[in-house]
Amino acid sequence: LAKTTQPISMDSYEGQEVNITCSHNNIATNDYITWYQQFPSQGPRFIIQGYKTKVTNEVASLFIPADRKSSTLSLPRVSLSDTAVYYCLVGDPNDYKLSFGAGTTVTVRA
Amino acid sequence: DTEVTQTPKHLVMGMTNKKSLKCEQHMGHRAMYWYKQKAKKPPELMFVYSYEKLSINESVPSRFSPECPNSSLLNLHLHALQPEDSALYLCASSQGGEGPVWRAFFGQGTRLTVV
Repeated sequence: LAKTTQPISMDSYEGQEVNITCSHNNIATNDYITWYQQFPSQGPRFIIQGYKTKVTNEVASLFIPADRKSSTLSLPRVSLSDTAVYYCLVGDPNDYKLSFGAGTTVTVRA
Repeated sequence: DTEVTQTPKHLVMGMTNKKSLKCEQHMGHRAMYWYKQKAKKPPELMFVYSYEKLSINESVPSRFSPECPNSSLLNLHLHALQPEDSALYLCASSQGGEGPVWRAFFGQGTRLTVV
């Protein structure tokens, strides 16, 4: 599993775009980047996964530069309900050892 | 049905009690997981079952005993726990096999308090 580094916390306001960058300098060739969201007292929820370039779904976008040593999760026009902890995971998606790092606490204010 | 159901939602047990946590999924997933999460910390992987066989044990104390009776069920048997074992216990499942393991579905968790 590649070691990841994310900011501990980020503050934003409703309607803004939030970008969370994850550093993973020792990412391996087979590794994918996966993001999860967790609300208090709930289990994490899968948001998005990507290997390179850009992936977009109805919730977020994931930007991965060519060297893949970092990635950015982008949450468009956040609302109060997007206040949560966001985890960046990097590893082989066929590896059963699904482990979480420290995560980024995103607080959205009115 | 994309749910992972955990019961009970809350559990208070004494240090000499024996109790069990239950997890159920009907998505046909072949990998199931137990995590422990303390307040303001990330989920900590405890056990992984793949095709009903224990494939990962993260050096968890023997007072936690997992069991996978069939492909839809996962239990965690608890015995002689300590107050520091109080936490949110999360169950998850994913496709496993040739499917994407890291797209996991989590239950709501069991909030365990050991007194």
